[in-house]
Amino acid sequence: QQQVKQSPQSLIVQKGGISIINCAYENTAFDYFPWYQQFPGKGPALLIAIRPDVSEKKEGRFTISFNKSAKQFSLHIMDSQPGDSATYFCAASGGNTGGFKTIFGAGTRLFVKA
Amino acid sequence: DTAVSQTPKYLVTQMGNDKSIKCEQNLGHDTMYWYKQDSKKFLKIMFSYNNKELIINETVPNRFSPKSPDKAHLNLHINSLELGDSAVYFCATLAGGHSTQYFGPGTRLLVL
Repeated sequence: QQQVKQSPQSLIVQKGGISIINCAYENTAFDYFPWYQQFPGKGPALLIAIRPDVSEKKEGRFTISFNKSAKQFSLHIMDSQPGDSATYFCAASGGNTGGFKTIFGAGTRLFVKA
Repeated sequence: DTAVSQTPKYLVTQMGNDKSIKCEQNLGHDTMYWYKQDSKKFLKIMFSYNNKELIINETVPNRFSPKSPDKAHLNLHINSLELGDSAVYFCATLAGGHSTQYFGPGTRLLVL
């Protein structure tokens, strides 16, 4: 199975709050777990990514927590801002060059209220 | 300079028509992809090419035919368009030995 399950489908957070998005994967062959951010009318862009040999990665206000045994990972957005309002996709990737494949979650629409 | 560009940005056409979408990248990446994003924002891989060679074909109807004339271009031709083909189509690239994909701005296809 190559599914990536993402929740919630949508999320409303007050400015300054914490946004949390969760994902679960099935295929243990995946070795790269990125989060992409997509604004309306634009293509997805890499936000932050993690490999399964670490349990956490932080970049500014964005943190990925990774639980390899549970095959779950999550994105935390601290001090959420209205400019963070976008659709967030978790993904699981793996494979050699050319055959490198990314399976995306269904996306979470985040709205940060001012 | 736009790293990954697509033309056209919008495409409105009738059912049964044939249309093409073009993608060009100036990143020098070896691998290029086509993704389809449906109305619910679900993003699904369709094809990947590596150095002009088809690598991944994700059970896409054979009405869809990708073509890579060179490493910098990957085009998508769609025959006999159907209502269900309405979606946003994204081109993406990947550098060899790396894991980050770079997406184009998308082509919004509407089949009437």
